[in-house]
Amino acid sequence: QKEVEQDPGPLSVPEGAIVSLNCTYSNSAFQYFMWYRQYSRKGPELLMYTYSSGNKEDGRFTAQVDKSSKYISLFIRDSQPSDSATYLCAMRGSYIPTFGRGTSLIVHP
Amino acid sequence: NAGVTQTPKFQVLKTGQSMTLQCAQDMNHNSMYWYRQDPGMGLRLIYYSASEGTTDKGEVPNGYNVSRLNKREFSLRLESAAPSQTSVYFCASYRAGTGELFFGEGSRLTVL
Repeated sequence: QKEVEQDPGPLSVPEGAIVSLNCTYSNSAFQYFMWYRQYSRKGPELLMYTYSSGNKEDGRFTAQVDKSSKYISLFIRDSQPSDSATYLCAMRGSYIPTFGRGTSLIVHP
Repeated sequence: NAGVTQTPKFQVLKTGQSMTLQCAQDMNHNSMYWYRQDPGMGLRLIYYSASEGTTDKGEVPNGYNVSRLNKREFSLRLESAAPSQTSVYFCASYRAGTGELFFGEGSRLTVL
């Protein structure tokens, strides 16, 4: 079993839908949790960053961390076609992050 | 701002050939990383350099070597390329404090 599990999708939703992306992990030492967005043929870019458990909101994006369940989520409200990308969760205890496989999201007009 | 720059962007090699992927960052970061990304496998760490003059193996180091030439540059070398090394390679630098990784645009390598 990988340290970080993420469903690769693809996840296809209509424009305006609420999207939920999730990762589970097994390493209790992880304290920093991140979501990266990767457009086709580009490098990943940091989207959200949270420390320990709780919620963090940034515009249409909300990141949730539940350390007791070893489960993290990214919610996208009012999804747009421009949100179509691969979303990778990442987490770390020290300074070396471990990435999930990424979930491919398609938002169709 | 250039950020992280990788060269070349595309390369086709024959089995057994060697090549070096170059990476440079202009953000004065201490730590740099090389990842490979394969379909369904996510990002896997090949090697990393916590600071100038140090390098360490990651999850999948076999068949690769690295050089941290100075604080800005971190190169990845394939001494004898194999078809299993066909992949997209990403270099990244690490901003201490936030822990954010900044990625280059990737180098797409095909080994025939």
